[in-house]
Amino acid sequence: EVQLVESGGGLVQPGGSLRLSCAASGFTFSSYWMSWVRQAPGKGLEWVANIKQDGSEKYYVDSVKGRFTISRDNAKNSLYLQMNSLRAEDTAVYYCAREGSSGYYPRDLDYWGQGTLVTVSS
Amino acid sequence: QSVLTQPPSVSGAPGQRVTISCTGSSSNIGAGYDVHWYQQLPGTAPKLLIYGNSNRPSGVPDRFSGSKSGTSASLAITGLQAEDEADYYCQSYDSSLSGCWVFGGGTKLTVL
Repeated sequence: EVQLVESGGGLVQPGGSLRLSCAASGFTFSSYWMSWVRQAPGKGLEWVANIKQDGSEKYYVDSVKGRFTISRDNAKNSLYLQMNSLRAEDTAVYYCAREGSSGYYPRDLDYWGQGTLVTVSS
Repeated sequence: QSVLTQPPSVSGAPGQRVTISCTGSSSNIGAGYDVHWYQQLPGTAPKLLIYGNSNRPSGVPDRFSGSKSGTSASLAITGLQAEDEADYYCQSYDSSLSGCWVFGGGTKLTVL
């Protein structure tokens, strides 16, 4: 059974940093692109970043470029999101998601974690 | 403001059919990029509902169907049930944006 479990969320002051983790199990982690998607309170979904299987390609939404860094450790079956210079507008539930391999473009997000809440406030 | 436009809300009575549109442009759906749909039940993570425009993952009832034409895509739900009350999101790619995936703004389905 595919499982994605996020951790690392919490309350942080504006300008602070936080590192999110996503522990993957039930599939060959190193064979899949992975994404982070966020959802601000009461708002819709926003794709944040994704990373290729070997970490050689990374893409970000414009609003987080230069502040967030996505990474992965295939030996530990883990995905990370380092978030620096946090702003109030980064407050959201952050979901880790696996990108599907059905051959469609864009790739679908076929499995999601339960999410971890990040609150940026003084 | 998303590049993929969805109606904020739709509603229907049990047993009825409803459709949710996802309207894009020549830089996303109209360019031939695929569309996927997600269902988010209250208080839970999103779940893949339709992938590749019209395909259902294992376990998704055939009451749910997807289609794509021109610059738009649609999700149809027939035989509406109370448990279908949820938020629905479309996802695609836009070549005019420097990032990757884009979501529609979401549609709240209310079962009357």
